[in-house]
Amino acid sequence: KAGVTQTPRYLIKTRGQQVTLSCSPISGHRSVSWYQQTPGQGLQFLFEYFSETQRNKGNFPGRFSGRQFSNSRSEMNVSTLELGDSALYLCASRGGRGGGTTNEKLFFGSGTQLSVL
Amino acid sequence: AQSVTQLGSHVSVSEGALVLLRCNYSSSVPPYLFWYVQYPNQGLQLLLKYTSAATLVKGINGFEAEFKKSETSFHLTKPSAHMSDAAEYFCAVSAPGGSQGNLIFGKGTKLSVKP
Repeated sequence: KAGVTQTPRYLIKTRGQQVTLSCSPISGHRSVSWYQQTPGQGLQFLFEYFSETQRNKGNFPGRFSGRQFSNSRSEMNVSTLELGDSALYLCASRGGRGGGTTNEKLFFGSGTQLSVL
Repeated sequence: AQSVTQLGSHVSVSEGALVLLRCNYSSSVPPYLFWYVQYPNQGLQLLLKYTSAATLVKGINGFEAEFKKSETSFHLTKPSAHMSDAAEYFCAVSAPGGSQGNLIFGKGTKLSVKP
């Protein structure tokens, strides 16, 4: 079974640009979460989607947005990039059956390393 | 607000020695608790998860963790360290509301294993 796939692996952008990151969850998984990882702030939750609906949102500005498609693939978008947006962006998926069970595991992709110059 | 504290950003042990990585959480209600490991240039891999079924949780690669409600702790241990255990370890707790896709992570502890 293929794992969580994130593309691209590396990305370099300049301030003011926008970027779209893609995540393909494990086949059959319906829930996708996004996290930002930086050396200073650590791992921070961005948002979670289940069946195309945003279920939870972290404390990030409106420049950060996401969506989920009917095939459970997800994208996140960051507009008007700032230097501080440089980070590893991690996507994770889980089954999400009935909104979640105690036996679900969160599977992470390898991430997209975004550098903003 | 709920938080997770990992004591020690770096821990160094000798191969074969006991590994102890500390984690304390702030919550009045026992949440779901997790330990993840991250190898360089990779995502996170779940080591183990506490779901109130048992206070001593066994995970992969010989790791285990004990939930102590009175101490609000969930320390990770391994009796004998291997070189392959060198990685960064993260303790996490599920956010209020219980969604396991929304986790609050500690800052991480980088484990070094000396030959």
